[in-house]
Amino acid sequence: GAGVSQSPSNKVTEKGKDVELRCDPISGHTALYWYRQSLGQGLEFLIYFQGNSAPDKSGLPSDRFSAERTGGSVSTLTIQRTQQEDSAVYLCASSLAGLYYGYTFGSGTRLTVV
Amino acid sequence: QKEVEQNSGPLSVPEGAIASLNCTYSDRGSQSFFWYRQYSGKSPELIMSIYSNGDKEDGRFTAQLNKASQYVSLLIRDSQPSDSATYLCAVNGNQGAQKLVFGQGTRLTINP
Repeated sequence: GAGVSQSPSNKVTEKGKDVELRCDPISGHTALYWYRQSLGQGLEFLIYFQGNSAPDKSGLPSDRFSAERTGGSVSTLTIQRTQQEDSAVYLCASSLAGLYYGYTFGSGTRLTVV
Repeated sequence: QKEVEQNSGPLSVPEGAIASLNCTYSDRGSQSFFWYRQYSGKSPELIMSIYSNGDKEDGRFTAQLNKASQYVSLLIRDSQPSDSATYLCAVNGNQGAQKLVFGQGTRLTINP
């Protein structure tokens, strides 16, 4: 597609439920990133996929968070047993491989845990 | 010390003036530096990138990099009300990793 596509755009869930967030990167972008942004805060790194390499999961805040990327394209971020502190905007970005390419962000998924 | 630091602002600048945004970073091994603009309720948008010491100009925007002093700045000339946004500085992470570390952002307001 022309841009990074994320779905759903908004998600309200009850505390304790599992949620799945989807990201479809720009075609040809081998690098895919997940960040989250809490209200009025900066971007917090979660996980990074690059081609067929093992993902960098160093930013995942707990073992309730996991992500996968199938076929080197679409990625799904899963949050199990959601908590209120998980409420944030979850941003996916993609880029070409290499240090000198900036990211293109999707429009984000706003997650609200009630 | 945070890896990437920015003054959170708000920074208020009159229309037509030069807005100056600053960022410092802690990792001397960082090699790529980016500025993103984020309008309220929207996702960040890449506006400038810089990799070498000195200035890089693109229209009304100039990015400046000083690796010895570990700072990067963004100048916006002839500021317009549409430039009002939060500006995020991003630096590639530890030991040359491709993932970016973002500053907290500086909120800029251009007053007509």
